[in-house]
Amino acid sequence: SQQGEEDPQALSIQEGENATMNCSYKTSINNLQWYRQNSGRGLVHLILIRSNEREKHSGRLRVTLDTSKKSSSLLITASRAADTASYFCATVLPYAQGGSEKLVFGKGTKLTVNP
Amino acid sequence: DAGVIQSPRHEVTEMGQEVTLRCKPISGHDYLFWYRQTMMRGLELLIYFNNNVPIDDSGMPEDRFSAKMPNASFSTLKIQPSEPRDSAVYFCASRNRRTSPYEQYFGPGTRLTVT
Repeated sequence: SQQGEEDPQALSIQEGENATMNCSYKTSINNLQWYRQNSGRGLVHLILIRSNEREKHSGRLRVTLDTSKKSSSLLITASRAADTASYFCATVLPYAQGGSEKLVFGKGTKLTVNP
Repeated sequence: DAGVIQSPRHEVTEMGQEVTLRCKPISGHDYLFWYRQTMMRGLELLIYFNNNVPIDDSGMPEDRFSAKMPNASFSTLKIQPSEPRDSAVYFCASRNRRTSPYEQYFGPGTRLTVT
């Protein structure tokens, strides 16, 4: 079953604008990750945020985590046409709750950046 | 590094036929994961291995599915007999627990169509 649910399902913006995608999940987590999938390709890891972290940056990416609301957001600043892809959040459950090596993925947000 | 290699990239078969999907993980990685992606169900974990040993196969949909990892550089996912509802993209991913505790590296996927 899906742990994460991304919102919105689809997002279309102009090049140069910022894109924000949200992810909600249901149970406690060890960490939350974001992956990108270009059309017809495999997933690529973007960034990981641990349950004791609130914000993390990597280049044009900014991820926030609110464990009290069980939600995370991914912000892509100054978007480019090459950012067009689907973005997925994935959670890892705490080991004490049976979490191990499993990633549980949401259904993704399809981002289109128009030139 | 060549990354995770999957073959074939596309497979079209008739209902009732046996299908074998292949995966070569990144050298040195000790975890291997098989996922299935469909529009309806998103990305689902089928099974994962640690040091060639199956650890969790709770995601394998039914007995028609089987997976093996005879050595550290090769894994197969077999469907016998195949059914139209097995049509999906199947991904293999690998990970090195020491160097990247949570990040998974995905292959390009095999698109399976069962007619």
